[in-house]
Amino acid sequence: QVQLVEGGGGVVQPGKSLRLSCTASGFTFSGHAMHWVRQAPGKGPEWVAAVSDDGNDKYYADSVKGRFTISRDNSKNTLNLQMNSLRTEDTSVYYCARADCNTIECKRTDYWGLGTLVTVSS
Amino acid sequence: DIQMTQSPSTLSASVGDRVTITCRASQSISPWLAWYQQKPGTAPKLLISLASSLESGVPSRFSGSGSGTEFTLTISSLQPDDSATYYCQQYHSYSLTFGQGTRLEIK
Repeated sequence: QVQLVEGGGGVVQPGKSLRLSCTASGFTFSGHAMHWVRQAPGKGPEWVAAVSDDGNDKYYADSVKGRFTISRDNSKNTLNLQMNSLRTEDTSVYYCARADCNTIECKRTDYWGLGTLVTVSS
Repeated sequence: DIQMTQSPSTLSASVGDRVTITCRASQSISPWLAWYQQKPGTAPKLLISLASSLESGVPSRFSGSGSGTEFTLTISSLQPDDSATYYCQQYHSYSLTFGQGTRLEIK
C-alpha cells in the first residue's frame, strides 16, 4: 500500500534552515509528481511546492519562493524540502503528498503522509 | 491566486440529517475541485475529485456537485464517523488553494 513518511521536523530559530524529507513506498515513486502542503496550527492547509516526476519542473507558493527548494532523489524514493531563512509564520505541520500522475500539471493529490511538525521560534 | 470561500464555517447536525457544504471560487475552475475530510491529528483525506467523482472506498452517502465557481458537498444521511473538518481545494492552476474549512459537529 502507498506510504509516505516525513521526517526532519523540529524546533528552529528564525533565520535558520531546516531540511525535510519524505520517504515513499508501495508505488513507483519515479512515476509520480509530488507536492508539499503545510498546515499551521488551527488553520487550513496551504500548498507549498510541487515537483515533476523527473525533478526538472517545479512550482512554489509565493510565500516560500526564493527561500524553499523542493527536490527529489528517485534512486532513494525520497522527496526533500530545503527551507532557508525560516520565519515564525512557517510554523506548521508539513505533509508530502503524491500526485496522481507524472507531470508538473498533475495537481490532484491522492495520498498524503502523516506530516512532520516544524516550529520556528526564538 | 484563486480564492476559495466555504460556508458555513461550523455546522451542527444530527445523525441521519442531510448536510450540505458550499464552496465558491473567485473564478471558474470547473471541473478541478476536490473535497477533503480531516479528523484531529490526521492528514486530510481525499473524498471527491473532479467536483463529483467519489474516491474509492468513500461511502456513497458523500456526493459532490457544481460547476463554474460554485460547488457543494452533500452528506445524504449523517453518521457519527462524519464528525470532521471538510476542505475544498481548487487544482485548476498554481498556486493550489484551499477553502478555510467547515467544522461539522454531530449533535
